[in-house]
Amino acid sequence: DTGVSQDPRHKITKRGQNVTFRCDPISEHNRLYWYRQTLGQGPEFLTYFQNEAQLEKSRLLSDRFSAERPKGSFSTLEIQRTEQGDSAMYLCASSSPPGVRVNTEAFFGQGTRLTVV
Amino acid sequence: AQSVSQHNHHVILSEAASLELGCNYSYGGTVNLFWYVQYPGQHLQLLLKYFSGDPLVKGIKGFEAEFIKSKFSFNLRKPSVQWSDTAEYFCAVTPKEGGKLIFGQGTELSVKP
Repeated sequence: DTGVSQDPRHKITKRGQNVTFRCDPISEHNRLYWYRQTLGQGPEFLTYFQNEAQLEKSRLLSDRFSAERPKGSFSTLEIQRTEQGDSAMYLCASSSPPGVRVNTEAFFGQGTRLTVV
Repeated sequence: AQSVSQHNHHVILSEAASLELGCNYSYGGTVNLFWYVQYPGQHLQLLLKYFSGDPLVKGIKGFEAEFIKSKFSFNLRKPSVQWSDTAEYFCAVTPKEGGKLIFGQGTELSVKP
């Protein structure tokens, strides 16, 4: 158990519907990341937060995607008007900030598998 | 542009064979390097990491990797694989100050008993 939990584990939705995923990071981690992984590919960066601030968002990310981390703890990723091409595994990861004795490795959750039909 | 390239998409080995998975990266600065493993049906787990110091790093389950700065490479090795090593292996890089991971496309390793 890595300590990063994601909900739901699986989501099947019809094209055009909105979906929202939740990620709870390891409690002492202030950095939180979202990635997307499709079959046969490595995880692709979507966005990341340090505390509640969204520090970077991939240029590849459609404006149908939005992420929040309102209190610097859990985060949500919403996809509006889903398309079949959104079908993928959505991964969340968390890490500590870099420091003298703190490493920056990221710990991943189990992911949410989205299927758009 | 930042990128990570893994040389092999699918590797098939017999038990006790030696393993080497290639990884090259392109990044205009100092980096941290990682190998992650994803066993069937499980989440990504850290296998080993390089931040600084000795370029030969040892990870869990007998894996090791060598950082060769001049070649921008971070190849993963194991002297003798086991059936339980069957998994997908991902090489990844972040800038030294941390931040987003850039992953390679992954190498699927199948070990025949």
